[in-house]
Amino acid sequence: AQRVTQPEKLLSVFKGAPVELKCNYSYSGSPELFWYVQYSRQRLQLLLRHISRESIKGFTADLNKGETSFHLKKPFAQEEDSAMYYCALSPLGAQKLVFGQGTRLTINP
Amino acid sequence: SQTIHQWPATLVQPVGSPLSLECTVEGTSNPNLYWYRQAAGRGLQLLFYSVGIGQISSEVPQNLSASRPQDRQFILSSKKLLLSDSGFYLCAGPAKDGLGDGYGYTFGSGTRLTVV
Repeated sequence: AQRVTQPEKLLSVFKGAPVELKCNYSYSGSPELFWYVQYSRQRLQLLLRHISRESIKGFTADLNKGETSFHLKKPFAQEEDSAMYYCALSPLGAQKLVFGQGTRLTINP
Repeated sequence: SQTIHQWPATLVQPVGSPLSLECTVEGTSNPNLYWYRQAAGRGLQLLFYSVGIGQISSEVPQNLSASRPQDRQFILSSKKLLLSDSGFYLCAGPAKDGLGDGYGYTFGSGTRLTVV
């Protein structure tokens, strides 16, 4: 069965510090991986997806198949990054997303 | 782009009462649609998904059911609510051009259900 694990429920860092949100997955095939973000009073929205290798709002995520990880990173955190972050996996051809438990990121001034 | 509409935004229902949450999508045809429940400490749990009219797949056994009466309508229901049905319910659809897998999903604004 597919599983996504985000080991940190809460993460707090200071503004300007680097931030890394961890995500590990369990899946035997080649997954599609995503990061979603939910800012206060806003809808859950897609942040980035691994197939596009893009950087959104300064965030990047690299798929490490050996470690089955897809950690989200940003070199210099900003206060507006405070939000709930979800890692998600889409098994190939399964037409559904499996989410992790989420990490609430707080950026302290 | 696709837009997901959900209503109501909040709902307080007594135990044993029926439930009907509606989700509609605009901007695409024949989309895959999904119902998720967001519970504190448990992340987002997929409840149901539908690939077309009348086609429903259930991911977890529960007190809820889903229906797809029209192409762009997805309904979450219960005949008798339990206290454990309380939670935040999200409807989702494909983010781009009807494709979900590689492009991610777009979500509705959610319904917070409190069963009392």
